Amino acid sequence: SYELTQPPSVSVSPGQTARITCSGGASPKQFTYWYQQKPGQAPVLVIYKDSERPSGIPERFSGSSSGTTVTLTISAVQAEDEADYYCQSGDSSGTSYVFGTGTKVTVL
Amino acid sequence: EVQLVESGGGLLKPGGSLRLSCAASGLTFSYAWMSWVRQAPGKGLEWVGRIKSKAAGGTTDYAAPVKGRFTISRDDSKDTLYLEMNSLKTDDSAVYFCSADLPGGISDYFDYWGQGTLVTVSS
Repeated sequence: SYELTQPPSVSVSPGQTARITCSGGASPKQFTYWYQQKPGQAPVLVIYKDSERPSGIPERFSGSSSGTTVTLTISAVQAEDEADYYCQSGDSSGTSYVFGTGTKVTVL
Repeated sequence: EVQLVESGGGLLKPGGSLRLSCAASGLTFSYAWMSWVRQAPGKGLEWVGRIKSKAAGGTTDYAAPVKGRFTISRDDSKDTLYLEMNSLKTDDSAVYFCSADLPGGISDYFDYWGQGTLVTVSS
């Protein structure tokens, strides 16, 4: 098995940029997905296949990948972006799915 | 509108058994690959297991912590997913979410989520 490691927390002022990294993952590299979760709610997909944004997700959310590290970037952060964020991927055989350790984004 | 509604959670003692259900609507359930994901209080998301559609073989895969104790099944005639949990431990206490992966969906894993059902294992 493998792990996806994220920083436990990221703090950012409104209007600034938040970057959340996710490292590790299976070999060969599989696509990474990002979910936003607010307290008491189910997760919501904000980025799929490393860098694609679902319809309805604000353009300030973007994703990128370099080597074994993927990054979720939230530009011009708003108060409503305060939430937990999880990266997620799977192994090449499709028999194991893994979530990252999670990052709490705090908007100061 | 796709809806996934979990039920069956509750309070039980270590070593006990429980069956969770997830009723689906607004989708062609038989085509969906269905998963269970759990979240212990104050902790992160943890994949529990997945069952493929019958067309894809209907096979199941599980995370290591639950393998041999938990069983995922489906009844396509009732559009319902199940999670049978045996030999429960205190570490199994969590909100259990069901999730659907639809053919052509953008996620490849979790296109839709339910709101979860709470399972508490305590002596």
